[in-house]
Amino acid sequence: GAVVSQHPSRVICKSGTSVKIECRSLDFQATTMFWYRQFPKQSLMLMATSNEGSKATYEQGVEKDKFLINHASLTLSTLTVTSAHPEDSSFYICSASTGASSTDTQYFGPGTRLTVL
Amino acid sequence: GEDVEQSLFLSVREGDSSVINCTYTDSSSTYLYWYKQEPGAGLQLLTYIFSNMDMKQDQRLTVLLNKKDKHLSLRIADTQTGDSAIYFCAEDFGNEKLTFGTGTRLTIIP
Repeated sequence: GAVVSQHPSRVICKSGTSVKIECRSLDFQATTMFWYRQFPKQSLMLMATSNEGSKATYEQGVEKDKFLINHASLTLSTLTVTSAHPEDSSFYICSASTGASSTDTQYFGPGTRLTVL
Repeated sequence: GEDVEQSLFLSVREGDSSVINCTYTDSSSTYLYWYKQEPGAGLQLLTYIFSNMDMKQDQRLTVLLNKKDKHLSLRIADTQTGDSAIYFCAEDFGNEKLTFGTGTRLTIIP
């Protein structure tokens, strides 16, 4: 089946630094990638939708200057958390789809745990 | 490796019960989750079951876990139009890694 990887799986950083998380579709080309944020045993909040070669669409309340998303190719999207603060500590999950919307089949990555000290 | 499978589509008449199934290969998970996703939205956590439980009921939702067959199901009683969505099952292995199924699209027939 379709495989999506994320790197790193966990990262610890100091407050004020930037962290980049990669999401890759390993065996298919992803037209669309989604970025979610999850709090422990809670729902996954959709942060943004990214399409290859165009600017990401951010959900209401998500700061686009803080969470930079780049979808440089059909197999790679990156999320950069800029000037990270402890409240940014969370579990970030991406998903990839060959379609254009979240109603198309999504394949999820395993998630990245970010801890900001 | 871990593999979680779901049927892609399910159609149910309004008022009937919906049963969404999920099978998995790795039984070392700690929790199993059911999420609901409406168009353009995030994944709402509906319910979860600890891996040493067989059943959990929460209002209209019943989760059944058959560890021997590695089968998880979500039953929605008295299905309503507002239940139309994509339902994802997911395994939590306790090491902060989640494995999701591909989602089941539930359509309600009036």
